[in-house]
Amino acid sequence: EDQVTQSPEALRLQEGESSSLNCSYTVSGLRGLFWYRQDPGKGPEFLFTLYSAGEEKEKERLKATLTKKESFLHITAPKPEDSATYLCAVQAWAGKLIFGQGTTLQVKP
Amino acid sequence: GAGVSQSPSNKVTEKGKDVELRCDPISGHTALYWYRQRLGQGLEFLIYFQGNSAPDKSGLPSDRFSAERTGESVSTLTIQRTQQEDSAVYLCASSSIGGGTSGSRNIQYFGAGTRLSVL
Repeated sequence: EDQVTQSPEALRLQEGESSSLNCSYTVSGLRGLFWYRQDPGKGPEFLFTLYSAGEEKEKERLKATLTKKESFLHITAPKPEDSATYLCAVQAWAGKLIFGQGTTLQVKP
Repeated sequence: GAGVSQSPSNKVTEKGKDVELRCDPISGHTALYWYRQRLGQGLEFLIYFQGNSAPDKSGLPSDRFSAERTGESVSTLTIQRTQQEDSAVYLCASSSIGGGTSGSRNIQYFGAGTRLSVL
């Protein structure tokens, strides 16, 4: 069964304290792995998509990496505005996204 | 419009009533998806439309749930005889192409959702 597990469920950081979020997955026929950011009361906002093991993508303070079993979202020197829920999802043949439960990040000034 | 538009943004209804939720996808996007997000949970797939193909209804939780799409435009998700466990945020997404193909065209862009509360 296709499955996505994110850890930790919640993460509190001080401003400037770097860390990583984990997304472990099992899927038959990975077509892509997606990271989204979701702010309270809003829909998920696309961040990155990765397609093959070894691939990396960066955007400002965020960097996403992919292996055959997991993906990491590295946050370097976070700021309070990075506080949000980060969602990981995988896409298989059917087109639908299978989401993890998310990691809620709080960055304190 | 520039993004996926959903209406209403909030809906409060009584148990047993029917509700209709609307989604306007990004213009030109052939694929449209509905997801449900219960409080504190991840997104749960409901249904997927791709062009003129038969929709993938594998995520619909019961026969009280149904959805339609007119061509490559508006979609309506209908929940009949609502129950309290139907309370959730219903999110719609669209992409320029559906599953089975890699590449940036697979990216799903989400609307802000409809928050449904069943009393």
